[in-house]
Amino acid sequence: SQQGEEDPQALSIQEGENATMNCSYKTSINNLQWYRQNSGRGLVHLILIRSNEREKHSGRLRVTLDTSKKSSSLLITASRAADTASYFCATDERTGGFKTIFGAGTRLFVKA
Amino acid sequence: GAGVSQSPRYKVAKRGQDVALRCDPISGHVSLFWYQQALGQGPEFLTYFQNEAQLDKSGLPSDRFFAERPEGSVSTLKIQRTQQEDSAVYLCASSSILTGGTGANVLTFGAGSRLTVL
Repeated sequence: SQQGEEDPQALSIQEGENATMNCSYKTSINNLQWYRQNSGRGLVHLILIRSNEREKHSGRLRVTLDTSKKSSSLLITASRAADTASYFCATDERTGGFKTIFGAGTRLFVKA
Repeated sequence: GAGVSQSPRYKVAKRGQDVALRCDPISGHVSLFWYQQALGQGPEFLTYFQNEAQLDKSGLPSDRFFAERPEGSVSTLKIQRTQQEDSAVYLCASSSILTGGTGANVLTFGAGSRLTVL
């Protein structure tokens, strides 16, 4: 099962434009993370936001979290062709155990 | 090692064959996770270990799937009597988080093992 659902499923923009991806999740969480995956590679951690935080920045990345709406957004500013990848949100599920659950991802294509 | 290492990177199996996928996590990482990723989808949780203990195997799709981590380091995911629907990329990830700890579970992934069942 997948906890998060990303929106849109795919996004195509021009270099220099901003890219916004959204994620919705179902259960209460302790934190939410965003990961990036280049074609044929494993996932790479980008940024983490805790449930008591509303916004976080890291370089050209800005993440927001709205726990009342169970949603998060990832903004990539001034996009580059090298940002072309799939982006996944992930939440920590603590149901008698401990596991990180991923959404279906947003495929971002940045045209040079 | 410096990163999470998975082998083989590519595996082609005939339907009914058994396969074994290996994961060598970052040295000292106590937690190890296996995910299955179908084409165009997000990673689906299979199982995870804390040291040698398998704490959650709720994501394993059937009893044909078995994972072990006998010495709390290297892990093997075994799939018996492979079926075409098993074709996917199998991702391994490790983290330093301990269950019940206050830290967040930031995962370091390997490049994956792509399994194709003919």
